[in-house]
Amino acid sequence: AAGVIQSPRHLIKEKRETATLKCYPIPRHDTVYWYQQGPGQDPQFLISFYEKMQSDKGSIPDRFSAQQFSDYHSELNMSSLELGDSALYFCASSSGGLAGVQETQYFGPGTRLLVL
Amino acid sequence: SQQGEEDPQALSIQEGENATMNCSYKTSINNLQWYRQNSGRGLVHLILIRSNEREKHSGRLRVTLDTSKKSSSLLITASRAADTASYFCATDNNQGGKLIFGQGTELSVKP
Repeated sequence: AAGVIQSPRHLIKEKRETATLKCYPIPRHDTVYWYQQGPGQDPQFLISFYEKMQSDKGSIPDRFSAQQFSDYHSELNMSSLELGDSALYFCASSSGGLAGVQETQYFGPGTRLLVL
Repeated sequence: SQQGEEDPQALSIQEGENATMNCSYKTSINNLQWYRQNSGRGLVHLILIRSNEREKHSGRLRVTLDTSKKSSSLLITASRAADTASYFCATDNNQGGKLIFGQGTELSVKP
C-alpha cells in the first residue's frame, strides 16, 4: 500500500539559510499535518491543512510557512534557519478531515534537518 | 510534554516477557492512538482506540482506555527483541485532528 512520502530524507543547511520540505500524502487523503521532533523529544504539532486550506496551527515559528497544493501535496518552507531548528520533521496524512470523524494519522519517514 | 505523562520512561525486559506502558492525558479526547518509533526513524501506527471504547486488541497488542482516569495502557505480550523501540501515545482532542503526543516509553527487549 502507498505510504506518505517525504523529501528530502536528509538536509544540511547553514544558519540563516532557507529550506523547503515536501510531503506527498497517501492517495485520497485530504488532510496533511506537520510535526517537529527535536532530539529526545516527543513530536510537536506545527500546522495542518484540510482540502488545501489551513485547518489548525500549533507551535510553528513565524519564520516557517506551509501550504497544500491542488494535488494535495504539501510543502513546509523554513527561512532564517537557526541551530534550534535541527530536528526530525514529520508529515502525516489522514482522511475524514474536518467534516468527519478524525481517523488514523499515517506518518511519513521524516526529513532529518541539520542546521550548522 | 503538552499532553501528560507516559510511564515508565524506560523499560527493559527479557524476550518472552510482557511489557506494559501507561499514558495519562489532560483533556477530553476523541480518540487515543499508540505509535512506535525505532531510533531516529518514522512513527508507525499501532492501534487507535476511540473515547467510547474501553479495550482493543491487535495481535500481541492490547490497549485499554479509562476516560474517567484519563489514562491508557499498552500491553505487548510475549515480547521479542524486534519490539525494541520507543512507544508514544497521542491524543486527538477533537480540535482539528492534530495529535498531542506523550513523552514516550523507551522499551528494550533483551534476547
